[in-house]
Amino acid sequence: DTGVSQDPRHKITKRGQNVTFRCDPISEHNRLYWYRQTLGQGPEFLTYFQNEAQLEKSRLLSDRFSAERPKGSFSTLEIQRTEQGDSAMYLCASSPETATTNYGYTFGSGTRLTVV
Amino acid sequence: AQSVAQPEDQVNVAEGNPLTVKCTYSVSGNPYLFWYVQYPNRGLQFLLKYITGDNLVKGSYGFEAEFNKSQTSFHLKKPSALVSDSALYFCAVRDINTGGFKTIFGAGTRLFVKA
Repeated sequence: DTGVSQDPRHKITKRGQNVTFRCDPISEHNRLYWYRQTLGQGPEFLTYFQNEAQLEKSRLLSDRFSAERPKGSFSTLEIQRTEQGDSAMYLCASSPETATTNYGYTFGSGTRLTVV
Repeated sequence: AQSVAQPEDQVNVAEGNPLTVKCTYSVSGNPYLFWYVQYPNRGLQFLLKYITGDNLVKGSYGFEAEFNKSQTSFHLKKPSALVSDSALYFCAVRDINTGGFKTIFGAGTRLFVKA
């Protein structure tokens, strides 16, 4: 297992364009999380999935953001009509948690988005 | 709502000396507490966690953390710092009673270990 993979590593886009990021979690991990990190800040929660179900979405997330995890495997995060304020590192993490167990997350290396 | 505070933006320590990185938390229920480390140009790595039981938990790379319920703290410690410990450290909390399974991270503390 190669850990959590994110693609692309870097993305530069013009304001107003749509972008999509992909995350491949560790195969046996049922939970998948998306976070956003800006310079000098800690990761900010965006959303998470248990298998294919999106169980929670941050109130900070505008309608321009959408995430999917079809079939409970890989996940995609789409940002429509990008704005300069969307520039950040987008982190994906997975964990093998259940209702009775708690583990730390395994993070991917992230996708750095720059909106120009 | 749960939250976590790391009062120090930066901690400087000499190699071989003990180090402490501070963290305080706020939750309405029982906290699950975590420490993560971020090395330059690398992803976040899980260091250790407190779920229940012994207040002193041990983790990777010789790090340990002490849970103090009365002070709502979870400070990260290491008896003897290494230059290679220099990195960005994040404390994180999860309130399973009200916060679901999401984890909230602090703003981070940069640790510099000088040779």
